[in-house]
Amino acid sequence: DQQVKQNSPSLSVQEGRISILNCDYTNSMFDYFLWYKKYPAEGPTFLISISSIKDKNEDGRFTVFLNKSAKHLSLHIVPSQPGDSAVYFCAASARATNAGKSTFGDGTTLTVKP
Amino acid sequence: NAGVTQTPKFQVLKTGQSMTLQCAQDMNHNSMYWYRQDPGMGLRLIYYSASEGTTDKGEVPNGYNVSRLNKREFSLRLESAAPSQTSVYFCASSEGWSNQPQHFGDGTRLSIL
Repeated sequence: DQQVKQNSPSLSVQEGRISILNCDYTNSMFDYFLWYKKYPAEGPTFLISISSIKDKNEDGRFTVFLNKSAKHLSLHIVPSQPGDSAVYFCAASARATNAGKSTFGDGTTLTVKP
Repeated sequence: NAGVTQTPKFQVLKTGQSMTLQCAQDMNHNSMYWYRQDPGMGLRLIYYSASEGTTDKGEVPNGYNVSRLNKREFSLRLESAAPSQTSVYFCASSEGWSNQPQHFGDGTRLSIL
């Protein structure tokens, strides 16, 4: 039973437009959510996070929205740039979890076309 | 400013051979993790170490062992490699709290023939 799901394996957008990446979760114990970005042949790098006490967190071109009732979060990138082309992983963790473990989704490959 | 360093970057093994993947972090983090990533899939947790001296199984521990040698180093051992263990292995570290991100190494690409 996959607790964190990214239902879109890939997304293609035009440079300058908005990219919206989605993530759903099933475990109501999750109270912290993170997005990581991964380029080929590199490890994932942390992008942005949100606590369950908030419904929005913004950092420059990146905004994460959390809808707790729907158990859904999304990452918005505005405007999208070719350098944003990467795999994006959604992750979730619970305060009660030992060692700050996170559960990861399968990733969405974003392609931003010039 | 190394962060998390994994060695080797690439390795080819024959079925039945043993191998240890090395990981070291220089951020004084408490917790460390080993993941595997298969094509089209996310990161699956193999083992983790909440703090120096402790290790616990993750989602897919079978066929692996780990050692938290000290606060900096966390190694992953394959005792008898199998083709199903062909994957990209990532080591990560964090402060160990749920609201702290993990920092990843660049991975070890392991092929088992």
